[in-house]
Amino acid sequence: KAGVTQTPRYLIKTRGQQVTLSCSPISGHRSVSWYQQTPGQGLQFLFEYFSETQRNKGNFPGRFSGRQFSNSRSEMNVSTLELGDSALYLCASSLIGGSLREQYFGPGTRLTVT
Amino acid sequence: GESVGLHLPTLSVQEGDNSIINCAYSNSASDYFIWYKQESGKGPQFIIDIRSNMDKRQGQRVTVLLNKTVKHLSLQIAATQPGDSAVYFCAENPPSNDYKLSFGAGTTVTVRA
Repeated sequence: KAGVTQTPRYLIKTRGQQVTLSCSPISGHRSVSWYQQTPGQGLQFLFEYFSETQRNKGNFPGRFSGRQFSNSRSEMNVSTLELGDSALYLCASSLIGGSLREQYFGPGTRLTVT
Repeated sequence: GESVGLHLPTLSVQEGDNSIINCAYSNSASDYFIWYKQESGKGPQFIIDIRSNMDKRQGQRVTVLLNKTVKHLSLQIAATQPGDSAVYFCAENPPSNDYKLSFGAGTTVTVRA
């Protein structure tokens, strides 16, 4: 069974631009969660989608948004990029969500904002 | 706010020795706790978890200890191998299944040959 895939793996953007990251969950998984990981802050929860609906949201500004498609694939968008948005963005999928132990993480997208 | 944190950012261990990685948490109502391993260029990988009603759980070469009195969690790796070199961090699962979590930055374990 294929794991969680994320594209692109690496991305370099300029301040003020926007970016869209993609996540394909494990086949059959309907919950997708997004996290931001930085050396100083560690892993921080962004949001979770289930059946195309945002079910949970972390404490990030409105510049961070996401969506989920009917095939459970998910995208997250960051608008008006700031230098502090440079991070590894991870997505994780699970069958129905609601339990950390059942989440499988993808390899992440490394975003660098210059 | 509630947070989970690790005590030391780095740990250097001789191959074959045992490793102990610590974590302090603040939400005493959490259902269970998880340890993750993250190798360079990869996403976090589940290692082991422990329910809040347990104080010890063993896996293959790993043991997790939970001390609820002082809100402390530790991961012990027996006979550390080069493949154990990674970042390790803990997480807690709140009882409300609320995903508003904050993980610690992690402990980087380096195994010396």
